[in-house]
Amino acid sequence: QVQLVQSGTEVKQRGASVKVSCKASGYTFTGFYMHWMRQAPGRGLEWVGWINPHNGDTKVTHNFEGRVTMTRDTSTSTAYMELRRLKSTDTAIFYCARARTGDRLGHDAFDFWGQGTAVTVSS
Amino acid sequence: DIQMTQSPSSLSASVGDRVTITCLASQDITNYLNWYQQKTGKAPRLLIYDASNLETGVPSRFSGSTSGTNFTFVISSLQPEDVATYYCQQYDNLPITFGQGTRLEIK
Repeated sequence: QVQLVQSGTEVKQRGASVKVSCKASGYTFTGFYMHWMRQAPGRGLEWVGWINPHNGDTKVTHNFEGRVTMTRDTSTSTAYMELRRLKSTDTAIFYCARARTGDRLGHDAFDFWGQGTAVTVSS
Repeated sequence: DIQMTQSPSSLSASVGDRVTITCLASQDITNYLNWYQQKTGKAPRLLIYDASNLETGVPSRFSGSTSGTNFTFVISSLQPEDVATYYCQQYDNLPITFGQGTRLEIK
C-alpha cells in the first residue's frame, strides 16, 4: 500500500534552515511527482512546489522562491524539502503529497499525503 | 494567481441533511478542480478529482459538479464522521491554489 512517512517535529531559530524528509513506499517513486504544502496554525493549505523524482526537476511557488530547495534520493525513495532563512510566519505543518497520476507534469490532485511535519520557528 | 473563493466559510447542519459548498474560480480552470476533507489533526484526504470524479474508497454520498467557473461539492446525507474542514483546489495553472476552507459542524 502507498505510504508517505515524514520526518519528525522540528524547532528552529529564526534565520536557520530546516530540512524535511518524505519517505515513499508501495509504489514506483520515480513515476509520480511529489508536492509540498504548508499549513500555518488554524489556517488553510498553501502549495509550496513540486519535484519530479524521475529527473529532479522542481517548481517552487513565487512566495518561496529563493528560500526552498527540493531534492530527492531515488535509492531510498525519499523526497526532501529544505526551507532557509526561517521566519516566524514559517511556523506550520508541512505536508508532502503524491500527484494522483504520472502524466500531468505536476498539475494534479494529491491522492496520498504524509502525516505532516510540524516546524516551529522561535525567536 | 488563480483565486478560489470558497463559501460558506463555516456551516452547521443536522445528521441526514444535504450540505452544499461552492468554489468560484477567478478565471476558467476547465474542470481542474479537486475537493479534500481534512479532519482535525490529520492530513487532507482527496474526495473528488477533476470536479466530479469520486476517488476510490470515498462514500457515494459525496459528489461534485461544475457550471462554468462555479464548482459545487455536495454531501447528500450528512453523517457524524463528516465533521471536518473541506477545501477546493485548482491545478489548471501554477501556482496550485486552494480555497480558504469550509468548516462543517453537526448541529
